[in-house]
Amino acid sequence: SQTIHQWPATLVQPVGSPLSLECTVEGTSNPNLYWYRQAAGRGLQLLFYSIGIDQISSEVPQNLSASRPQDRQFILSSKKLLLSDSGFYLCAATWGVDSYNSPLHFGNGTRLTVT
Amino acid sequence: RKEVEQDPGPFNVPEGATVAFNCTYSNSASQSFFWYRQDCRKEPKLLMSVYSSGNEDGRFTAQLNRASQYISLLIRDSKLSDSATYLCVVSPGYSSASKIIFGSGTRLSIRP
Repeated sequence: SQTIHQWPATLVQPVGSPLSLECTVEGTSNPNLYWYRQAAGRGLQLLFYSIGIDQISSEVPQNLSASRPQDRQFILSSKKLLLSDSGFYLCAATWGVDSYNSPLHFGNGTRLTVT
Repeated sequence: RKEVEQDPGPFNVPEGATVAFNCTYSNSASQSFFWYRQDCRKEPKLLMSVYSSGNEDGRFTAQLNRASQYISLLIRDSKLSDSATYLCVVSPGYSSASKIIFGSGTRLSIRP
């Protein structure tokens, strides 16, 4: 079965420090991959999505970036964190022949606090 | 008008009650619809897909009304463990991942 691994689970980082969150998918190939952020008490905001290796689309201009160096690996990065980057970061994936009609499956998320 | 709208609640109902949520969407070309459940400080988890003919999974029933552009979720015989936030998700179903839209969620609290 397919699983989505996301780490770390929690992270506390000072303002101005770099960030790297990693997400890997097992049990499928060529998934569509997504990074979402959820601020406290708010809805999900799509940050990036990828339909293939090195194919990244950004949805919101910000100081974050994403990379997909391998088919099942999706990385969210920042060179310098801002206080406003605090939130719950979720990696998600769809897969299968009809991946655009398939439901999103989420990793366990990373709770980031920027201090 | 928001692309996907949900009543934020909270809905506070007694155990055993039946509760229903609606979710309206604005894009008439939407193809895929889902209900997710999100517990506090956890990731959203797929509850059920919503099919045109309506579908049921145990105590949960999902309906789609394309003419009025809404989906619904009915929970019968509610349990304490049903307390969560319920998110509706609408997707165009074509090659545009950015158009998967999440509702802001409806909070449900089941009291003993």
